[in-house]
Amino acid sequence: GENVEQHPSTLSVQEGDSAVIKCTYSDSASNYFPWYKQELGKGPQLIIDIRSNVGEKKDQRIAVTLNKTAKHFSLHITETQPEDSAVYFCAASRGVPTDSWGKLQFGAGTQVVVTP
Amino acid sequence: DVKVTQSSRYLVKRTGEKVFLECVQDMDHENMFWYRQDPGLGLRLIYFSYDVKMKEKGDIPEGYSVSREKKERFSLILESASTNQTSMYLCASSQGRAKLFFGSGTQLSVL
Repeated sequence: GENVEQHPSTLSVQEGDSAVIKCTYSDSASNYFPWYKQELGKGPQLIIDIRSNVGEKKDQRIAVTLNKTAKHFSLHITETQPEDSAVYFCAASRGVPTDSWGKLQFGAGTQVVVTP
Repeated sequence: DVKVTQSSRYLVKRTGEKVFLECVQDMDHENMFWYRQDPGLGLRLIYFSYDVKMKEKGDIPEGYSVSREKKERFSLILESASTNQTSMYLCASSQGRAKLFFGSGTQLSVL
C-alpha cells in the first residue's frame, strides 16, 4: 500500500520567514495530494491540494509543488505569521476521477511554531 | 459550512468496557471515516463507509467495529477497550474523493 513520509517533524521559524515541509510517497499511482492544517483543539482542515497533472499550485501565502518523477511534494508558506502555528499533515491517494470516496494515506505531521 | 460533530470531547473508560464514539454530519455526505491520531504516527484510517449500512476496513481495524444505520451518523465501537486504544479519534466526512471535513476529535483514555 501507499506509504507517506513527512519531514521535518517540528519546524520553528521566525515571523516573516518562509517554512517548507516535504513529503515523499511510495505508490506511483497516487494522483491526489492534499495538505491539512490542524490547530490546537480542532480537527484537521484542508488548506490546499494538488493533482498529478499539475506541478505547482498557489493560494496567497501557501503553495504546493509536486515532483512526480521523484515522488515527492512540498508545502511552502511564505511570510509566516503567528496564526500559521499548527500541525500540518500531507496526504496522498490514488484512484480515478470517478471514485466516490477518498482513502487518504497521511504523513506523520509537522508541528510548525512561528515565533514573533 | 459543513459541520461534523463528535459526541464527546474527552472520554475516560476502563479496560474491558464497551465504548461507543458517535459522529454526525449535517451535509448529506456519502462518505464517512474514522481515524486515529497518535503522536509521530499521523492519522491512521480505522474504518470508512461510502453508503448507509456499508463499511470497509481501513489500515488498523483490529479491535474496532462500526455502524452506519443512517446516512448522517457513523459510530465507532470498541468492543472491549484496552489501554493501547488510548488515543485521539477523529471522524470525517466527504462528498466524492476530495475534501475531508473533520470533527474536533474525541480524546479517549482507557485506564
